[in-house]
Amino acid sequence: EIVLTQSPGTLSLSPGERATLSCRASQSVSSSYLAWYQQKPGQAPRLLIYGASSRATGIPDRFSGSGSGTDFTLTISRLEPEDFAVYYCQQYGSSPAFGPGTKVDIK
Amino acid sequence: EVQLVESGGGLVQPGRSLRLSCAASGFTFDDYAMHWVRQAPGKGLEWVSGISWNSGSIGYADSVKGRFTISRDNAKNSLYLQMNSLRAEDTALYYCAKDATKYIWGRGKLFDYWGQGTLVTVSS
Repeated sequence: EIVLTQSPGTLSLSPGERATLSCRASQSVSSSYLAWYQQKPGQAPRLLIYGASSRATGIPDRFSGSGSGTDFTLTISRLEPEDFAVYYCQQYGSSPAFGPGTKVDIK
Repeated sequence: EVQLVESGGGLVQPGRSLRLSCAASGFTFDDYAMHWVRQAPGKGLEWVSGISWNSGSIGYADSVKGRFTISRDNAKNSLYLQMNSLRAEDTALYYCAKDATKYIWGRGKLFDYWGQGTLVTVSS
């Protein structure tokens, strides 16, 4: 069973800054079946990225994903006020696993 | 517009049962696998169960295997979760989630749309 670790636990940044979130897997993620979700307080998660680097429908291009194997990154190029939220990575395909999340809050 | 609306949550005593429902609209329901994902208060996300487009493949997390049963009615565009022998640790917000594919294996378990959730509280 793959275990996902996310870092940092909390990222404190200002609007306009660049955010870099990390997701590390305990073993290689097959076919880059790695997704990222955004969850705001009181809301359901929203799919941002799938296949490690493909943006989901309607996701702004300031969100980008990269990585392969065991190391993946979600980058938000310039934080907008609505981007402050919790971000989860997820390995899909066989046994789905979510990371514990990274909270991006306002500095 | 894809809509997933969960219902059936509530307060239940340990050991009792509850049945959750999810009404789907805005897409061809029987073209996609469907799932239940839960989130305990203040915690992260946990996949609970999934069912393929034609109910031919079903999967459960080890934490609920033998206690929960997932099903779907394609004629009614509805997904269900029968939860028996409930425990305090089952307390969570239960989300209905649409898969991006027909299947729960292979490329399955990519959740492209989510409902708003229904809260299940297990307590005496």
